[in-house]
Amino acid sequence: KAGVTQTPRYLIKTRGQQVTLSCSPISGHRSVSWYQQTPGQGLQFLFEYFSETQRNKGNFPGRFSGRQFSNSRSEMNVSTLELGDSALYLCASSSRTPSYEQYFGPGTRLTVT
Amino acid sequence: QQPVQSPQAVILREGEDAVINCSSSKALYSVHWYRQKHGEAPVFLMILLKGGEQKGHEKISASFNEKKQQSSLYLTASQLSYSGTYFCGTSEGQTYSGAGSYQLTFGKGTKLSVIP
Repeated sequence: KAGVTQTPRYLIKTRGQQVTLSCSPISGHRSVSWYQQTPGQGLQFLFEYFSETQRNKGNFPGRFSGRQFSNSRSEMNVSTLELGDSALYLCASSSRTPSYEQYFGPGTRLTVT
Repeated sequence: QQPVQSPQAVILREGEDAVINCSSSKALYSVHWYRQKHGEAPVFLMILLKGGEQKGHEKISASFNEKKQQSSLYLTASQLSYSGTYFCGTSEGQTYSGAGSYQLTFGKGTKLSVIP
């Protein structure tokens, strides 16, 4: 099976712009979770989508949003970018059952200047 | 609430053993362990569910004490390939029902360096 893919792998944006990141889960997986990873804060949960519905959301401002399509692919959008949004954004897919192993994609490295 | 991992860093010589701990202040349903090498994505190692189960594969195993809300990862006869940052991720009081919400909260990680 192909693994989780994320595009783009690297991105440089300017403060105030918006960005959309894409994640394609492992075939058959219907759950996609998004994480922000920074050296200071570590891995922080953004949100999880399952069957096209957001099931849970972490403590991030409303500038961070996402969606999931009927083929389980997911996108994450960050509007009005701030310097502090520079991070590695990881998505992880899971089948949810029988257990909740998450398989991570390679991540998108976002740099905001 | 973020689980606490200890130690923050450890250096081992090849062949030595290590234990990494993960503690939470809340009742846990599951504990997940991942290893991340520099510049790469975290790789799933194992999951432990409520019930004090111990799991393992090859020379890496883990235990979960739900009463103490703790999990420990055991690495025996360490190899150079074991180097990386180990993260525990915890979930609280959730089952894996299809319609429910689910969230993993990760510790800050333990950096393991294995030297020849």
